[in-house]
Amino acid sequence: EDQVTQSPEALRLQEGESSSLNCSYTVSGLRGLFWYRQDPGKGPEFLFTLYSAGEEKEKERLKATLTKKESFLHITAPKPEDSATYLCAVQEGIYYGNNRLAFGKGNQVVVIP
Amino acid sequence: EAGVTQFPSHSVIEKGQTVTLRCDPISGHDNLYWYRRVMGKEIKFLLHFVKESKQDESGMPNNRFLAERTGGTYSTLKVQPAELEDSGVYFCASSQVGGGRATYEQYFGPGTRLTVT
Repeated sequence: EDQVTQSPEALRLQEGESSSLNCSYTVSGLRGLFWYRQDPGKGPEFLFTLYSAGEEKEKERLKATLTKKESFLHITAPKPEDSATYLCAVQEGIYYGNNRLAFGKGNQVVVIP
Repeated sequence: EAGVTQFPSHSVIEKGQTVTLRCDPISGHDNLYWYRRVMGKEIKFLLHFVKESKQDESGMPNNRFLAERTGGTYSTLKVQPAELEDSGVYFCASSQVGGGRATYEQYFGPGTRLTVT
């Protein structure tokens, strides 16, 4: 069974203080690793998909990277509006019929002005 | 473009009652998924439709849960009879059809918070 572990569970940052979130996973045949952002009372909002080790993607102050065992979400010079829970999810399988995502518990980030 | 919508946003029912949740996916998305998050736990997969067919229902907890997607458009998830442990937030998501090994991101709705008392 897939297992996704995110660390740290909670993180408080000063505005402008860069940091990284970790997502480690065990899966038999990774088809994709997804990062989502979730605000209180809302559904997960898609950020990135990574497919293979060495891949990187960026969006504003966020940068996601992938290795064979883990992914990092780097937050550069965060602002208060970056406060959210960041969710990591993996999708396994060698055939496209299996699309289910296995989620981690999330990294709760608070950015203090 | 409208996103995934879910109704109701919140439902409070008593143990033993029936509740039906509705999800309207993004127009043109053949894949529709149901997930659930219970307090303190991670979001967990329930089932996956491709159009009106159940592709994967391996995450459905028991036969008190019935999901349908008549006509391949909106979907309903019925819980009958509801138990205390069914409380949580139920999310619906949709995605485009992927070919071969291609996979597309899943877009989530705002969720329905179900409280069983």
